[in-house]
Amino acid sequence: KAGVTQTPRYLIKTRGQQVTLSCSPISGHRSVSWYQQTPGQGLQFLFEYFSETQRNKGNFPGRFSGRQFSNSRSEMNVSTLELGDSALYLCASSLAGGNSGNTIYFGEGSWLTVV
Amino acid sequence: AQSVTQLGSHVSVSEGALVLLRCNYSSSVPPYLFWYVQYPNQGLQLLLKYTSAATLVKGINGFEAEFKKSETSFHLTKPSAHMSDAAEYFCAVSEVGNQFYFGTGTSLTVIP
Repeated sequence: KAGVTQTPRYLIKTRGQQVTLSCSPISGHRSVSWYQQTPGQGLQFLFEYFSETQRNKGNFPGRFSGRQFSNSRSEMNVSTLELGDSALYLCASSLAGGNSGNTIYFGEGSWLTVV
Repeated sequence: AQSVTQLGSHVSVSEGALVLLRCNYSSSVPPYLFWYVQYPNQGLQLLLKYTSAATLVKGINGFEAEFKKSETSFHLTKPSAHMSDAAEYFCAVSEVGNQFYFGTGTSLTVIP
């Protein structure tokens, strides 16, 4: 069974540009969540989608957005990139949603460098 | 919001020695607790998970963790460290809606 797949793995963008990252969850998983990982802030929750609806959102500015498609694949977008957006962006998927206690499974991440 | 505290951002042990990584959580309700491991340039991999079925949880690669409600702790241990255990370890607590709160991580170095 294929794991969580994230594309692209590495990318470099210029300040002010926008970027779209893609995530394909494990087959059958309907919940997809996104995390930003930086050396200074650790792992921070961005948002979570279940059945194409954003159910939870972390404390990030509106420049960070996402969506989920009917096949559970998800994308996140960051507009007007800032240097501080340089990070590893991790996608995680889960079988079910709603209750706590579900295990989330991570992809290998997309390394974003903003110059 | 829940929070997780990992004491010690860096831990070094000799190969064959006991590994002890500390995690304390704050939760007003019975928590779901997790330990994940991250190897360089990779995502996070589940080590083990506590779901209230048993206070001592066994995970992969010989790791285990004990839930102690009175101490609000969920420390990770392994009796004998191996070189391949060198990685970053994260403790996490989840709440409704699959929102996870992660600790800041502990980098484990294994000295040959």
